[in-house]
Amino acid sequence: EIVLTQSPGTLSLSPGERATLSCRASQSVTSNYLAWYQQKPGQAPRLLIYGASSRATGIPDRFSGSGSGTDFTLTISRLEPEDFAVYYCQQYGNSPWTFGQGTKVEIK
Amino acid sequence: EVQLVESGGGLVQAGGSLRLSCAASGFTFSSHSMNWVRQAPGKGLEWISYISASSRTIYYADSVKGRFTISRDNAKNSLSLQMNSLRDEDTAVYYCARDPSDYGANSGYFDYWGQGTLLTVPS
Repeated sequence: EIVLTQSPGTLSLSPGERATLSCRASQSVTSNYLAWYQQKPGQAPRLLIYGASSRATGIPDRFSGSGSGTDFTLTISRLEPEDFAVYYCQQYGNSPWTFGQGTKVEIK
Repeated sequence: EVQLVESGGGLVQAGGSLRLSCAASGFTFSSHSMNWVRQAPGKGLEWISYISASSRTIYYADSVKGRFTISRDNAKNSLSLQMNSLRDEDTAVYYCARDPSDYGANSGYFDYWGQGTLLTVPS
């Protein structure tokens, strides 16, 4: 099973700042099949990025994904108030599909 | 508008059984693979089961294999999860989640999620 480790656990930033979230896999993710989700308290996760760098429908272009192999990054170029949430990466290249433990982006 | 609405959660004693349902609307349900993903209180996400559009292919996570059964009724636009031999570690919010591929393939990620239904198995 591929283990995904996200860092940092918590990111304290102000609106307008840039957020850089990391997701490291225990082995190479097949075909860069890596997705990112946003989850707000009491809500279901929301798909942001798939295929490591493709934005899902309706996702603002301030969200971008990059990386390959074992190292992936989600970047939020300028944080908006609604972006403060928990972010999860997920690999779907190898069964079983697995998620990282999450990074919380909180208001500084 | 795509909608997934889970139901059936509740409080069940260890060793008991429960059946979760997910009602789908706003898309051609019979064309999409579906999944169940759970989230223990205050914890991260765990994928637990997959069913292809035709029900021909089914996968389970090791944590639920042999205890949970996924099924679907394409005529009723409904997804189900039969959970037996429940344990306290099964306590979680259970989400149904759609695979984005609309030709029955398995993409592996999830583009729409329901709001979840809570299962509590007291220890």
